[in-house]
Amino acid sequence: GQNIDQPTEMTATEGAIVQINCTYQTSGFNGLFWYQQHAGEAPTFLSYNVLDGLEEKGRFSSFLSRSKGYSYLLLKELQMKDSASYLCAAMDSNYQLIWGAGTKLIIKP
Amino acid sequence: ETGVTQTPRHLVMGMTNKKSLKCEQHLGHNAMYWYKQSAKKPLELMFVYSLEERVENNSVPSRFSPECPNSSHLFLHLHTLQPEDSALYLCASSQGGPAGATDTQYFGPGTRLTVL
Repeated sequence: GQNIDQPTEMTATEGAIVQINCTYQTSGFNGLFWYQQHAGEAPTFLSYNVLDGLEEKGRFSSFLSRSKGYSYLLLKELQMKDSASYLCAAMDSNYQLIWGAGTKLIIKP
Repeated sequence: ETGVTQTPRHLVMGMTNKKSLKCEQHLGHNAMYWYKQSAKKPLELMFVYSLEERVENNSVPSRFSPECPNSSHLFLHLHTLQPEDSALYLCASSQGGPAGATDTQYFGPGTRLTVL
C-alpha cells in the first residue's frame, strides 16, 4: 500500500534549526510536496522536489532522496510564527497526492 | 478577492439537515478538489474535477454530492450526515490540463463542519 510517515509533533526553540523528516512509499513517484498549515487556516505550499538534492528557499530548505524514499524540511532561524503543522505529500504514478498526517511544530521562546 | 475562498467557514447541522459548502477559485485554474481533514489524520481526497468533469470519486458515501457548474466554482451538497462526518472540509485548485501534470494545489481556508 501507499504510505507517508512523519513525526506527530516536534518542539524547538526560537532562533534554532529544526528538521522535519518524511518517509514515503508510493506506487511510482512524481515528486514530494511540503505544505505549512497554521491552525484554522489553509495549507500553503512551501516546496516541491522531484530530483535528489537540497532546494533552498530563504529560511526553509527541502531535501529529497528518491532511492531512500526520504525527504526532510529544514527550518532555520526559527520564529514564533513558524509554529504550525507541516504536511508532507508524495505524488504517485497517477499524479495523486498521498498525504502524511502532518507534524505539529511548537516553537518555544 | 484572490486565491481560493470557501463559505461558510463554520457550519453546525443536524443529521437530518441539508446544506451546501461553496468553493470559489480566482486563479484561472482548471482542476478543483474536495478534501476531508480530520484531527491527526492525513488529508482524504474526496472528489476531483478537471474542466468541470468529475475525474475522481474516492468511494465517498452518497450523502456527499459534489457539483461543479464551471471551472471557478465547486459545491459539496450534504444530506443526512453522521456525527463522524464532522471535520474540516478543504477545497483546492490547480492549473490542471493534460494528465501527468505535477501541479501545485492551492487551498482554501476550509469549512469547519460539526454534525450533531
